[in-house]
Amino acid sequence: EVQLVESGGGLVQPGGSLRLSCAASGFTFSSYEMNWVRQAPGKGLEWVSYISSSGSTIYYADSVKGRFTISRDNAKNSLYLQMNSLRAEDTAVYYCARGGLQGLYYFDYWGQGTLVTVSS
Amino acid sequence: AIWMTQSPSLLSASTGDRVTISCRMSQGISSYLAWYQQKPGKAPELLIYAASTLQSGVPSRFSGSGSGTDFTLTISCLQSEDFATYYCQQYYSFPPTFGGGTKVEIK
Repeated sequence: EVQLVESGGGLVQPGGSLRLSCAASGFTFSSYEMNWVRQAPGKGLEWVSYISSSGSTIYYADSVKGRFTISRDNAKNSLYLQMNSLRAEDTAVYYCARGGLQGLYYFDYWGQGTLVTVSS
Repeated sequence: AIWMTQSPSLLSASTGDRVTISCRMSQGISSYLAWYQQKPGKAPELLIYAASTLQSGVPSRFSGSGSGTDFTLTISCLQSEDFATYYCQQYYSFPPTFGGGTKVEIK
């Protein structure tokens, strides 16, 4: 069974940093592209970042470019999101999501999410 | 970026109804469209990809159609567990983008 479990969310002040983690199990993690998708309270879904299976290709949404860094450790079956210079508008539930068929950017499995609140 | 218009934003229906949700693109995306279901407090779940391919384990009462700019999600016979919010998502080009969502509520 595919499982994705996020951790690391919490309350942080504007300008602060946070590192999210996603532990994967039930599939060959190193073979799959991974993503972070977020959802602000009461709002819709927003794709945040993508990383290829090897980690060699990375994309970011314009809203987080230069502030967030996605990475992965295939030996540990883990995905990460380093978030710096956080703003109030980054407040959201952050989901890690597995990429669908290779090279296709839909999301076939999602974690339960971790809430990030940016507030003073 | 490709913009998406999902309609309606709110749909009131009864168990047993046939419901349709529309997703329109600002430009053609071939069949690079997915549909998700999200229940309150839960993560989204993939229902359909490639516009009409049912994800494994998804009930056959769900179906998707369309290509180019106009797409439809149909639930043929609404069940109690189908009351949720539905999102379309294009993956034709980066960044992948989502529609605004359609909440299906009990009439």
